[in-house]
Amino acid sequence: SQELEQSPQSLIVQEGKNLTINCTSSKTLYGLYWYKQKYGEGLIFLMMLQKGGEEKSHEKITAKLDEKKQQSSLHITASQPSHAGIYLCGAVRRGGSQGNLIFGKGTKLSVKP
Amino acid sequence: DTAVSQTPKYLVTQMGNDKSIKCEQNLGHDTMYWYKQDSKKFLKIMFSYNNKELIINETVPNRFSPKSPDKAHLNLHINSLELGDSAVYFCASSFTSGTGVYGYTFGSGTRLTVV
Repeated sequence: SQELEQSPQSLIVQEGKNLTINCTSSKTLYGLYWYKQKYGEGLIFLMMLQKGGEEKSHEKITAKLDEKKQQSSLHITASQPSHAGIYLCGAVRRGGSQGNLIFGKGTKLSVKP
Repeated sequence: DTAVSQTPKYLVTQMGNDKSIKCEQNLGHDTMYWYKQDSKKFLKIMFSYNNKELIINETVPNRFSPKSPDKAHLNLHINSLELGDSAVYFCASSFTSGTGVYGYTFGSGTRLTVV
């Protein structure tokens, strides 16, 4: 079963608009990663959140992890065409000695100039 | 220097062949992984490996086998390739401390096409 649900699946916004992508889990998240992927390319690390209530920002992208550590959101302010791509959230699976990441199905973001 | 590098970037091969994908990390990480991204862009773990333990996702066919000559390398061998093996394969690495898993870094992917 899918452990991480991302919403929306796809998003088209006008350049300059703000947007939010959500990542929800039915289980507690132990380490939540956000990545961006452009077509045909690898995963670009954006941010990692670990503590309940944690919030991190990098340029115009802000990610938060809720207090219960079951939901994370990624917010982009004043979107630009360079923000277009697929955004993936990945969570560390608790248990075992290695930190396998369980991924959501991704959110495809298109930014119209 | 590329932190996690995998080769080749593209691989086209016929059904039934055996092929390998190489992965190297220069980050000093203690754990390496292989992920498969299918045509719907869904990423799924195949293997995770450190010098102590190999964990295999139970859904991975035994035609797939990871080989680690040292801590910095985790290669993926695939025997008797099938059409359904066509996908993008990503190598990754991380380090583990008492408080969690950090520094998760992915390679740029290998696009495998089986014809």
